[in-house]
Amino acid sequence: DGGITQSPKYLFRKEGQNVTLSCEQNLNHDAMYWYRQDPGQGLRLIYYSQIVNDFQKGDIAEGYSVSREKKESFPLTVTSAQKNPTAFYLCASSGLAGGSPQETQYFGPGTRLLVL
Amino acid sequence: GQQLNQSPQSMFIQEGEDVSMNCTSSSIFNTWLWYKQDPGEGPVLLIALYKAGELTSNGRLTAQFGITRKDSFLNISASIPSDVGIYFCAGRYMNRDDKIIFGKGTRLHILP
Repeated sequence: DGGITQSPKYLFRKEGQNVTLSCEQNLNHDAMYWYRQDPGQGLRLIYYSQIVNDFQKGDIAEGYSVSREKKESFPLTVTSAQKNPTAFYLCASSGLAGGSPQETQYFGPGTRLLVL
Repeated sequence: GQQLNQSPQSMFIQEGEDVSMNCTSSSIFNTWLWYKQDPGEGPVLLIALYKAGELTSNGRLTAQFGITRKDSFLNISASIPSDVGIYFCAGRYMNRDDKIIFGKGTRLHILP
């Protein structure tokens, strides 16, 4: 099946630890995105990438890092510099493949990060 | 970052009632999207709108791209229990990069 997968579903982080959230898509989409969602809030953009080996900061990039070495993969690292990392993290992709207009974003199932 | 104004923030309705929610922006959009999110899951795209005045249906859902390009609404007819969740609008500004702006969501509750 085509889609976006995120792993793990739940992730626990200790103080001072970096953790990496996985996002993979087999939709042949060019663009990928990471969002953070806090309770009762909308989605806030962390980083996005429109093409392999290139990415841009979103609205709340501090304390996060990303890489885009492959078209299918866009992992997000939550570093120890992110002082309030507890949130629900959503990955999305968009592209022209399959006739999808570039503006339409499709989401993965999310990863919930909790701090111990 | 700038956000859309989405209202209402939450709704409590009886099963079978119709629902209406809307989003407004201070700037012109060239795309409006409506998503639904179930608890603990990622948002699922319901309807995408690409032209001013466009009216699109998906089953019991109907959404419209406002003529001014600054607003959109979503209607749900004859609500059922599985309609419970959070509905998000999203839009893309004209002449901007590919970033999409999300509203804060409308949480729909259905009373037994």
